[in-house]
Amino acid sequence: AQKVTQAQTEISVVEKEDVTLDCVYETRDTTYYLFWYKQPPSGELVFLIRRNSFDEQNEISGRYSWNFQKSTSSFNFTITASQVVDSAVYFCALSPLNDYKLSFGAGTTVTVRA
Amino acid sequence: SQTIHQWPATLVQPVGSPLSLECTVEGTSNPNLYWYRQAAGRGLQLLFYSVGIGQISSEVPQNLSASRPQDRQFILSSKKLLLSDSGFYLCAWRISGRRRGEQYFGPGTRLTVT
Repeated sequence: AQKVTQAQTEISVVEKEDVTLDCVYETRDTTYYLFWYKQPPSGELVFLIRRNSFDEQNEISGRYSWNFQKSTSSFNFTITASQVVDSAVYFCALSPLNDYKLSFGAGTTVTVRA
Repeated sequence: SQTIHQWPATLVQPVGSPLSLECTVEGTSNPNLYWYRQAAGRGLQLLFYSVGIGQISSEVPQNLSASRPQDRQFILSSKKLLLSDSGFYLCAWRISGRRRGEQYFGPGTRLTVT
């Protein structure tokens, strides 16, 4: 069974501050995928990134960066110089390599104040 | 490119009435299809998924059912709605036959049972 834990329920920051979202997972599978999704107030989930378990290289995309550490089973997400448009609920998810399903964390609500 | 449609966008139904939510995907063939429910302020709950026409897997036994009458059409139904069926319903699709697992979500349907 898979389990994804996002311990932070809500985070509130002032614009231009950095914010880091924690994600810790549990799985017995040796190969798996990790994901981050963004859910803005409109409701639609937007896919942000997929990471393979055998690739621990960190990734940066604009103001977003992801830190994958297999040794601690964590896949953290950092938003640098946050903006009001970053306000959303962010979900971390896990899927074994050949599974049809995603296991989602409970989500972290990020509020960026102007 | 692929697109996913859901309708209606919002729905208010009395307790005991029937339900039919529809989801269609364009631009891909034989997708894996999913129905999720998100209660207010809560995480995502997988309800059903389908890997092909007529193939439905149920994750949570309840008064909801799903059908896949065509390759890219996924329908969520109920014969008699309960108050607890209120929530945000999301349809998602995934490319089948590839070794990657991200799902792409539709805009969702907000259902209020009164």
